[in-house]
Amino acid sequence: DTGVSQNPRHKITKRGQNVTFRCDPISEHNRLYWYRQTLGQGPEFLTYFQNEAQLEKSRLLSDRFSAERPKGSFSTLEIQRTEQGDSAMYLCASSNTGIPGEKLFFGSGTQLSVL
Amino acid sequence: DQQVKQNSPSLSVQEGRISILNCDYTNSMFDYFLWYKKYPAEGPTFLISISSIKDKNEDGRFTVFLNKSAKHLSLHIVPSQPGDSAVYFCAAVYSGGGADGLTFGKGTHLIIQP
Repeated sequence: DTGVSQNPRHKITKRGQNVTFRCDPISEHNRLYWYRQTLGQGPEFLTYFQNEAQLEKSRLLSDRFSAERPKGSFSTLEIQRTEQGDSAMYLCASSNTGIPGEKLFFGSGTQLSVL
Repeated sequence: DQQVKQNSPSLSVQEGRISILNCDYTNSMFDYFLWYKKYPAEGPTFLISISSIKDKNEDGRFTVFLNKSAKHLSLHIVPSQPGDSAVYFCAAVYSGGGADGLTFGKGTHLIIQP
């Protein structure tokens, strides 16, 4: 399978716990994006990487959120001290050249439920 | 403030007829527009895009029309097929912006009836 892979598919956690998600992009893609989608809304941009460099972060990304892409391949998104408002689908996407308007390839997402 | 708006949460169309999904935007700096399709429990998949220098782009059964003066775009699907039943997201990007993440609308749930 050469698509974008996300793990786990589902995560249930208690409020206050830390969680970490992983994304494996398409192998030759150097750009990696994280989005969040809540019920009834479209995906919202969180952050993106070009290779290992995190080039942009949305103001939606509070201090409790941190993303890494240490070797420019897979990426992790960690949420510390989770809150019920963090419950959402977390989507990862990758692209190749970063040409404006280039399509992004999305993974199937990680559904987070904070109890 | 929503910069990309899809005002129809759902749309029901008979199989074989034309489906027209609408999208409005407020940011005149957007210069690329994309449509994504999403099935339950899957990530969005790219359908078709259009640059702001064009007013139409066609790919098989899918055509996107852009009206810059009205800040409006639409996706036409002809003929509609049962497999087209999904949520469709309109997205926009400003290529000269600092963050080149897409701005999405809330989506329209298209239901194709037999």
